[in-house]
Amino acid sequence: QKEVEQDPGPLSVPEGAIVSLNCTYSNSAFQYFMWYRQYSRKGPELLMYTYSSGNKEDGRFTAQVDKSSKYISLFIRDSQPSDSATYLCATTKGSNYQLIWGAGTKLIIKP
Amino acid sequence: ETGVTQSPTHLIKTRGQQVTLRCSSQSGHNTVSWYQQALGQGPQFIFQYYREEENGRGNFPPRFSGLQFPNYSSELNVNALELDDSALYLCASSFPSSGSTYEQYFGPGTRLTVT
Repeated sequence: QKEVEQDPGPLSVPEGAIVSLNCTYSNSAFQYFMWYRQYSRKGPELLMYTYSSGNKEDGRFTAQVDKSSKYISLFIRDSQPSDSATYLCATTKGSNYQLIWGAGTKLIIKP
Repeated sequence: ETGVTQSPTHLIKTRGQQVTLRCSSQSGHNTVSWYQQALGQGPQFIFQYYREEENGRGNFPPRFSGLQFPNYSSELNVNALELDDSALYLCASSFPSSGSTYEQYFGPGTRLTVT
């Protein structure tokens, strides 16, 4: 079993829709959770991170962690074609905080 | 403030050859982590360097080695290249501090193709 599971998609939605991206993880000891956005053939860009359970909002983006179900989510409001990218969830492991990643979900926003 | 830079952008090597990839960390960052990302997959942790010492290693064979220099730039060396080494190699820099999540900031990557 992978430590972080993520549906690779693709997920295609119309412009303006609310997007929900999700991951599950296996180890209840994980505490920090990140969402990265990666455009084609580029490096990942840190969008948001959260610690433990709860919500965190930044503009059109909301990150949510539910530790009881080991479930993390990223919501994108008023989605734009420029949001089309691969979204990767990650968590940290070990004293060096190495990142453990999901496979990434490819998101397509249709104009 | 300059971001993380990597060189070269793309290279093609033959199976059995050796390759060196380079990374310059973001200004003020003293930790560099390397990741391998195969096509359509999430990145996999290779190793991390902190203040010129290896600070953790993922499940990669010894033919993957690295260095960090006094200016915190870093190199990833891969010997005896195999076809499965074809991937995007990502470098990330960070500045661990008390209470920090070790936020990591990535360069654009080096795309390695092994034929």
